[in-house]
Amino acid sequence: AQKVTQAQTEISVVEKEDVTLDCVYETRDTTYYLFWYKQPPSGELVFLIRRNSFDEQNEISGRYSWNFQKSTSSFNFTITASQVVDSAVYFCALIWDNYGQNFVFGPGTRLSVLP
Amino acid sequence: DTGVSQDPRHKITKRGQNVTFRCDPISEHNRLYWYRQTLGQGPEFLTYFQNEAQLEKSRLLSDRFSAERPKGSFSTLEIQRTEQGDSAMYLCASTRNTEAFFGQGTRLTVV
Repeated sequence: AQKVTQAQTEISVVEKEDVTLDCVYETRDTTYYLFWYKQPPSGELVFLIRRNSFDEQNEISGRYSWNFQKSTSSFNFTITASQVVDSAVYFCALIWDNYGQNFVFGPGTRLSVLP
Repeated sequence: DTGVSQDPRHKITKRGQNVTFRCDPISEHNRLYWYRQTLGQGPEFLTYFQNEAQLEKSRLLSDRFSAERPKGSFSTLEIQRTEQGDSAMYLCASTRNTEAFFGQGTRLTVV
């Protein structure tokens, strides 16, 4: 069975602090894709990153970075120098093949960045 | 068209009424998904279309729910005889390969 766990329900940080959001996934498939989405209060899901199971290189995009480790089935997301605008719910998601299987989302982590 | 569009954004209905939501995907995306998201939870899969064919339905999709995607373009999700438990955000996503984009959702409140 496929499953995504985000153990942190809520995190609060003060602006400019770094914060890491954890994601642990379960799948028996060798080909799968991992995603992070941001959901601000307005409700839409904003795509942040997609990573396939064969690419374990870490990625950095501005203040965002992702650490993919197959050995621990984790795909963690770090925001450096957090800003108030980063406040949102962040979802980690898994899709286990390229042929139309649906996303399995984690329960989300609510991040509050305080000024 | 640069994104997935959903209409309406908000819907308040009385219990027992029927409601219909519309999703317009990104034009070159052949796959379309419907998800339901309740407060404090991640989105849960409801159903999926490849072009006009509905290929998968979740057990969450009771007999009161029906989805269509005529001609493989826009999709509609209808809920008949709404119940208070149907109150949720209904999200639509369209994908090409595994590049998925979500609409802003329709928030349904059943009173």
